[in-house]
Amino acid sequence: DVKVTQSSRYLVKRTGEKVFLECVQDMDHENMFWYRQDPGLGLRLIYFSYDVKMKEKGDIPEGYSVSREKKERFSLILESASTNQTSMYLCASSRGRAGVETQYFGPGTRLLVL
Amino acid sequence: AQSVTQLGSHVSVSEGALVLLRCNYSSSVPPYLFWYVQYPNQGLQLLLKYTSAATLVKGINGFEAEFKKSETSFHLTKPSAHMSDAAEYFCAVSDRNTGNQFYFGTGTSLTVIP
Repeated sequence: DVKVTQSSRYLVKRTGEKVFLECVQDMDHENMFWYRQDPGLGLRLIYFSYDVKMKEKGDIPEGYSVSREKKERFSLILESASTNQTSMYLCASSRGRAGVETQYFGPGTRLLVL
Repeated sequence: AQSVTQLGSHVSVSEGALVLLRCNYSSSVPPYLFWYVQYPNQGLQLLLKYTSAATLVKGINGFEAEFKKSETSFHLTKPSAHMSDAAEYFCAVSDRNTGNQFYFGTGTSLTVIP
């Protein structure tokens, strides 16, 4: 079974803090993704990566950055957390050509920024 | 860019009744199409996908979806709802040409009434 794990299920941070969300997959997938999920808005892509050290902006990259130093790990960084970044964050991975392959999701991190 | 519309943010059905969740896409070229399910406090998992083979696609847990090019639709159905089907359902598309991003609908929450 493909497993995608995220470092925290719940996180509470203060405005202005630097926040790291980590994601690890164990299936040697080339592609990794970070989404945020908000009620009524579905999932919106923040960033994705199709190879180590490669990254592409998604639909809502503002206020976020990412790092992929190893194939299995993809980190999402909030440089200076703000209250409008309170959300559920989902990591996913897939192999091969990203658009046709199944994405496998982690359980999500629910982030609250106070 | 691709987009996908899910009609009905909330759907309620009685146990044993037909489940019909609607999804329409906007693209001149038929995209790849997916249905994902999210159970409470979990990440998303794939129900089924259409990638250009048979237009009627069967998935897990008795779900199926039919790709209709003339209607630009990919509706999800299940003949008989079970209590365990209560979840959030997301339709997603990706572009056949670029294939790098998924675009998710806003989701439909399914309630099953005993």
